[in-house]
Amino acid sequence: EAGVAQSPRYKIIEKRQSVAFWCNPISGHATLYWYQQILGQGPKLLIQFQNNGVVDDSQLPKDRFSAERLKGVDSTLKIQPAKLEDSAVYLCASSLDGVSMFGSGNTIYFGEGSWLTVV
Amino acid sequence: AQSVTQPDIHITVSEGASLELRCNYSYGATPYLFWYVQSPGQGLQLLLKYFSGDTLVQGIKGFEAEFKRSQSSFNLRKPSVHWSDAAEYFCAVGAHTDKLIFGTGTRLQVFP
Repeated sequence: EAGVAQSPRYKIIEKRQSVAFWCNPISGHATLYWYQQILGQGPKLLIQFQNNGVVDDSQLPKDRFSAERLKGVDSTLKIQPAKLEDSAVYLCASSLDGVSMFGSGNTIYFGEGSWLTVV
Repeated sequence: AQSVTQPDIHITVSEGASLELRCNYSYGATPYLFWYVQSPGQGLQLLLKYFSGDTLVQGIKGFEAEFKRSQSSFNLRKPSVHWSDAAEYFCAVGAHTDKLIFGTGTRLQVFP
């Protein structure tokens, strides 16, 4: 079974430039997550989709970050304009849908991440 | 609010020694608990999870964890560490909104 695919793996940009990350979840997974992991910290949820609807984007800096999930499959996370503090790993993850997903025994699977350095 | 605390930022052990990584959680309801491992330059890989039932859960790569409700803990253990276990380990709690809340991680270094 193919895992969660992300691209690009690595990106270096200057501050105030824009960048976009792409994610393809595991086939059949209705829920998709974007997490931000700053060096030395645990991952923090930015946005959670269920199919193509947003479930939680409370920690997404909406003045510069945007995300979409067209047709309920692939997703794109965009940063514009980037700041130095946006340097981090952006992890995409997916899981099967379900009411109280964890209570159903489901698990969240992560991609390898997109590493962003803003200089 | 839900939260996870990993008190040890960095642990160093000798190869072949036993290992215990600590995790404490704060959650009002029955917790769903996870341990993930992240090797350098890689994403997160699930080691094991606790949903209900037996409080001692077995995972991949010889790891196990024990859920102790009275102590709000979910410590990860391995009886004999291998050099390939050097990585960052994250404990996480599954919130009712179907998202994971992570601790800050413990970096494991293994000496030969």
